[in-house]
Amino acid sequence: GESVGLHLPTLSVQEGDNSIINCAYSNSASDYFIWYKQESGKGPQFIIDIRSNMDKRQGQRVTVLLNKTVKHLSLQIAATQPGDSAVYFCASRAQAGTALIFGKGTTLSVSS
Amino acid sequence: DTGVSQNPRHKITKRGQNVTFRCDPISEHNRLYWYRQTLGQGPEFLTYFQNEAQLEKSRLLSDRFSAERPKGSFSTLEIQRTEQGDSAMYLCASSLVLEGSYGYTFGSGTRLTVV
Repeated sequence: GESVGLHLPTLSVQEGDNSIINCAYSNSASDYFIWYKQESGKGPQFIIDIRSNMDKRQGQRVTVLLNKTVKHLSLQIAATQPGDSAVYFCASRAQAGTALIFGKGTTLSVSS
Repeated sequence: DTGVSQNPRHKITKRGQNVTFRCDPISEHNRLYWYRQTLGQGPEFLTYFQNEAQLEKSRLLSDRFSAERPKGSFSTLEIQRTEQGDSAMYLCASSLVLEGSYGYTFGSGTRLTVV
């Protein structure tokens, strides 16, 4: 079945550094991927998404890279700020009409 | 409309009691999802609705769990005969199915503690 996971449970960076959070997925038929940020006591918040026909998409300070050959997804955060400290989840969709499946999450800690 | 609203925010119940949670999605969103999240884990899919039709249910959704969305607007999730293992954050999300955009907007969740 579908499973989505992250390589590292925690990541600590200094303010101003670039952060890279990685995710591996198992279903080669997955057609849509998304990154969420979750702060303590809140629901997940949408960051950026990408469809399987793309390999890169950029947002404001964030970039998502998709490597379908190795079934790997990454989130890059430029100039990381203390406000970026949170748990980051990747999620994917197996096919149209199915729900998103989430990975376990990476806790990003930014120190100033 | 300020987003997805979930009530209550917290619920403490004794084992064996029934509980019901409510979710009010973003008004123009036609899809509504329920997820469960335990500490340190990602959200686990439970079920989703398109309008009033329940289109998908996870194997995690035991027969003690039931969800409804009677008029295609708000939804309720009921857990009967609660067990300690039901303690978790229950998240609701909604989305509007548009070509190219499939992201969900989540509520802040209902934290259930079964004692």
